[in-house]
Amino acid sequence: GAVVSQHPSRVICKSGTSVKIECRSLDFQATTMFWYRQFPKKSLMLMATSNEGSKATYEQGVEKDKFLINHASLTLSTLTVTSAHPEDSSFYICSASPYGGRGAEAFFGQGTRLTVV
Amino acid sequence: QKEVEQDPGPLSVPEGAIVSLNCTYSNSAFQYFMWYRQYSRKGPELLMYTYSSGNKEDGRFTAQVDKSSKYISLFIRDSQPSDSATYLCAMSRSGGTASKLTFGTGTRLQVTL
Repeated sequence: GAVVSQHPSRVICKSGTSVKIECRSLDFQATTMFWYRQFPKKSLMLMATSNEGSKATYEQGVEKDKFLINHASLTLSTLTVTSAHPEDSSFYICSASPYGGRGAEAFFGQGTRLTVV
Repeated sequence: QKEVEQDPGPLSVPEGAIVSLNCTYSNSAFQYFMWYRQYSRKGPELLMYTYSSGNKEDGRFTAQVDKSSKYISLFIRDSQPSDSATYLCAMSRSGGTASKLTFGTGTRLQVTL
């Protein structure tokens, strides 16, 4: 299957600082990537849809000024958690579907565990 | 009512058992169905991808879709301790690369020696 790489896998930051998470499609191009948040023992909650060359589309209730998304190329999307607070601590995961593949078949990154202290 | 219902478990079975994992959904617009396996603190790994009603087999895994009943299943034969993980069903209304997935809550599976 296609490979999606996410970096870093784990990050600890101080309250009030910003953290950037990268999501790369290693062997395919992706015009669309998705960012999810997952709480312990819970399912994935879609935060936003990242669109290459245009603004991201955020799900209801997700603060776009808090979670900045940039999809600068066909293989890279970044999620920046701005002015992080302890309640932002969570597991963040990205996904992408290969263009020309089986459409909705999504491949996920390894996830990033963010801890805000 | 959630769009996708999945028993959270945990489900504990002995090694070698046949495991049955299920999801029901309420929206008949869902056309594409996937099963993912997620180990603790890792991203989900795609196991099965199906479109039409019926069965699809891949090694020890069989995915079953019944669109008339809005019910999907994943069967694992000869379960192994390495199968211990959370299994997530996911479904989509459309088949494009920008299709949003709706996930079940996940079922935690424990395969014991």
